[in-house]
Amino acid sequence: QPVLTQSSSASASLGSSVKLTCTLSSGHSRYIIAWHQQQPGKAPRYLMKLEGSGSYNKGSGVPDRFAGSSSGADRYLTISNLQSEDEADYYCETWDSNTRVFGGGTKLTVL
Amino acid sequence: EVQLVESGGGLVQPGGSLRLSCAASGFTFRNYEMNWVRQAPGKGLEWVSYISNSGSTIYYADSVKGRFTISRDNPKNSLYLQMNSLRAEDTALYYCARGMLWELLLDYWGQGTLVTVSS
Repeated sequence: QPVLTQSSSASASLGSSVKLTCTLSSGHSRYIIAWHQQQPGKAPRYLMKLEGSGSYNKGSGVPDRFAGSSSGADRYLTISNLQSEDEADYYCETWDSNTRVFGGGTKLTVL
Repeated sequence: EVQLVESGGGLVQPGGSLRLSCAASGFTFRNYEMNWVRQAPGKGLEWVSYISNSGSTIYYADSVKGRFTISRDNPKNSLYLQMNSLRAEDTALYYCARGMLWELLLDYWGQGTLVTVSS
C-alpha cells in the first residue's frame, strides 16, 4: 500500500503564500489524494481532491486561496494570501488495497 | 447541510467494551460509504474501518481487526462501531467520516467522540 510523506512543519508570513507537499511512495505516483485541514481543537475539514494530472475539485465553501497541483509523485497544496485562520494541521489521504492511508500531517504556522 | 454527529464515547477500563454511534443527516445516507477514523491525543489521523453503502463490504485496520465491528442501519441513518477488548492505545477521538461518491476518499467529518481506556 502507498505511503504518504509530509514535512512535519511549515511556516509563512501573514499575507504570503505557502506550498505544502505530500509525496506518494514509489509505484503509487498516479494515485488520487485528498487534502484535509484541521484547525486547533476542531475536527478535520475536507479541502479538495487532487489527481496526478493536477486537476482538483474543492469542497463546499473552500476559499479560492486554496489550490492544488501535482508533479510526478508529489501532490501540492498552495495557500495564497495567508490568513491567521489558515494556521492548522494539513493531512493528505489516499486509498489502496482496502486500506485508507493518511500522511503524518504538516503543522502550518502563520507568522 | 451534511451533518455527522458522533456519540457513545467515554471512560472504559482495559478489556472493556464501548459502542459508538454516528447520526447522519442532510444527505441520502444509504447511498454513501462510511468510515471511522481516530486521532490519539497529540497525534495524526488513523483510519479504523470502512463500510460500503449497503453494508455488504467491510474493511478494518490491522490494529483493530478482530476487536472492532462496524455496522450501519440505513433506515435510521446511523453508523456504529462496536469496540471490544479495548486497550490503552485505543484512547483517541473517534470521527465518523463520509466517503465521496465515485471516489474512495473522505469528504465530510463529524466532530468526534472521545474514548479513554484507562484503569
